[in-house]
Amino acid sequence: QQQVKQSPQSLIVQKGGISIINCAYENTAFDYFPWYQQFPGKGPALLIAIRPDVSEKKEGRFTISFNKSAKQFSLHIMDSQPGDSATYFCAARRGSSNTGKLIFGQGTTLQVKP
Amino acid sequence: SQTIHQWPATLVQPVGSPLSLECTVEGTSNPNLYWYRQAAGRGLQLLFYSVGIGQISSEVPQNLSASRPQDRQFILSSKKLLLSDSGFYLCAWSLSGVRPEQFFGPGTRLTVL
Repeated sequence: QQQVKQSPQSLIVQKGGISIINCAYENTAFDYFPWYQQFPGKGPALLIAIRPDVSEKKEGRFTISFNKSAKQFSLHIMDSQPGDSATYFCAARRGSSNTGKLIFGQGTTLQVKP
Repeated sequence: SQTIHQWPATLVQPVGSPLSLECTVEGTSNPNLYWYRQAAGRGLQLLFYSVGIGQISSEVPQNLSASRPQDRQFILSSKKLLLSDSGFYLCAWSLSGVRPEQFFGPGTRLTVL
């Protein structure tokens, strides 16, 4: 019940296309859902995040879609660029905890071909 | 603004040697601190977290230990390294109760030979 399942494990998209990464969770106590972007040899960087009281959040070319009833959320990268090639992690936080611990998905390696 | 530092950036150590990795956060007070390990091509495994000075919680049994001697300092240690300790070690911080965001440091690449 503490898991966050992420798919696909890897993704290849042509430049200009839409990249879609999906995550699913079981614990309804999760109250915060961030996405991180990680380039090789670097620490993950917070990309965008959403709370369960909204169904969509958009920041530039990055959009999170959230389906509370299905317990799923996804990251959409519009007009994907070669510079978006990285590993993406979804995560979830249990709201009742004061530790701030995040449960991470296993990651998706995105390659955007020129 | 807040900044998180980790050192060293890379480390090559022989099996059986001790380890000390350091993480410091600037620009904030009383952060929650976290140590993660990332094996090659794998996800993020939470090793330890701390909600205050001297307060350490371990997530998985292992060859490592953590300490928080100061509010914004988090140390990862081992008395004797194993080959399986190789990986990319990441420190992170958050201000739980204020904002949910968690921010990562640049990481330390540890190779145990």
